[in-house]
Amino acid sequence: DTEVTQTPKHLVMGMTNKKSLKCEQHMGHRAMYWYKQKAKKPPELMFVYSYEKLSINESVPSRFSPECPNSSLLNLHLHALQPEDSALYLCASSQDHGYSEAFFGQGTRLTVV
Amino acid sequence: AQSVSQHNHHVILSEAASLELGCNYSYGGTVNLFWYVQYPGQHLQLLLKYFSGDPLVKGIKGFEAEFIKSKFSFNLRKPSVQWSDTAEYFCAVNLGYNQGGKLIFGQGTELSVKP
Repeated sequence: DTEVTQTPKHLVMGMTNKKSLKCEQHMGHRAMYWYKQKAKKPPELMFVYSYEKLSINESVPSRFSPECPNSSLLNLHLHALQPEDSALYLCASSQDHGYSEAFFGQGTRLTVV
Repeated sequence: AQSVSQHNHHVILSEAASLELGCNYSYGGTVNLFWYVQYPGQHLQLLLKYFSGDPLVKGIKGFEAEFIKSKFSFNLRKPSVQWSDTAEYFCAVNLGYNQGGKLIFGQGTELSVKP
């Protein structure tokens, strides 16, 4: 199983809503990542979790709150988002946070209205 | 700052033409290098990777890439493209443990193959 599963696939939320994005992998990977991708742009790193601990936060606004409940799951909690936060949110995992290749999920297409 | 540059923003080829997409990175330390492909409406998939050893690496679907350390380059090639190769191609560099495993992407090259 080399899949990273993200739910939901699409999400529309208002600026006052609270929602969560979920990501799951069963490859035994110990590093997990959140990326944000705007149309026609490359993915931009948001957060890195290594062994369930947050190791990198790329100066992401606090309205995005990551959580890693266990080694297989990664959540991204969303609150009070802005329309400019609309994007494709990608989850990825790798064997560890070093040099290993990253496997990406299908992404959640988020629209903030 | 570390960065990855892809020279071509949009490439248009006819089927059976040869492909070369340029990628340069700026980082003096040890890196691992990747090419990812994103087909329309699909997720990022790994085409090939370079960790060490033979600088000419072969990937899936007939793609190959050559790592030239002195030029900080990792160019992607395919001798004969097909219509199904139409996609966005991203070069990426993993900066390793000391940089928290950051994977930095180039701006992407959109490849359009005309049948």
